[in-house]
Amino acid sequence: SQTIHQWPATLVQPVGSPLSLECTVEGTSNPNLYWYRQAAGRGLQLLFYSVGIGQISSEVPQNLSASRPQDRQFILSSKKLLLSDSGFYLCAWSAVAGGTSSYNEQFFGPGTRLTVL
Amino acid sequence: DAKTTQPPSMDCAEGRAANLPCNHSTISGNEYVYWYRQIHSQGPQYIIHGLKNNETNEMASLIITEDRKSSTLILPHATLRDTAVYYCIAATDSWGKLQFGAGTQVVVTP
Repeated sequence: SQTIHQWPATLVQPVGSPLSLECTVEGTSNPNLYWYRQAAGRGLQLLFYSVGIGQISSEVPQNLSASRPQDRQFILSSKKLLLSDSGFYLCAWSAVAGGTSSYNEQFFGPGTRLTVL
Repeated sequence: DAKTTQPPSMDCAEGRAANLPCNHSTISGNEYVYWYRQIHSQGPQYIIHGLKNNETNEMASLIITEDRKSSTLILPHATLRDTAVYYCIAATDSWGKLQFGAGTQVVVTP
């Protein structure tokens, strides 16, 4: 079966410090990968998505970046964190559509709660 | 993607059916209706999706009106573990750009 991991689970970082959040997927190959952010009391906002190694599309301009160095690894980074970067960061994957599944049947990881002070 | 409108909150008694409405009056012909839920401090969980026919799985049933302008998610026998925010999303069956709105906060009470 497929599983998705995210770490760390929680993180407290000072303003201006760098960030690296990691997401890995097991049990599937060539997944579509996504990074979402959820600010306190708000809905989810899609930040980045990827259809393959090295292929990243950004949805919202910001001081964050994403990379996909391996097929099942997705990394979210920042060189200098802002207070507004605080939130709950979620990684998700989906299989290529076909059969009974669709691109939009996404499976989410446990999330990383980031607090920037 | 079409905008969806959901009530901000609703309560349901444990063991009873929970009927969650969603309005998507501007939905286009190639857009599906997806339902996810998010239990507090966890990632969202896919529940069900449909195009125009009613759908049922082990978690819930989805009833879509004939004109496709609205739908209802039915949790047949709500339990306390069904307390969550439920999101209704209209999206084409391509490229996972899911637009999560505010959703409906469902509280199941004993």
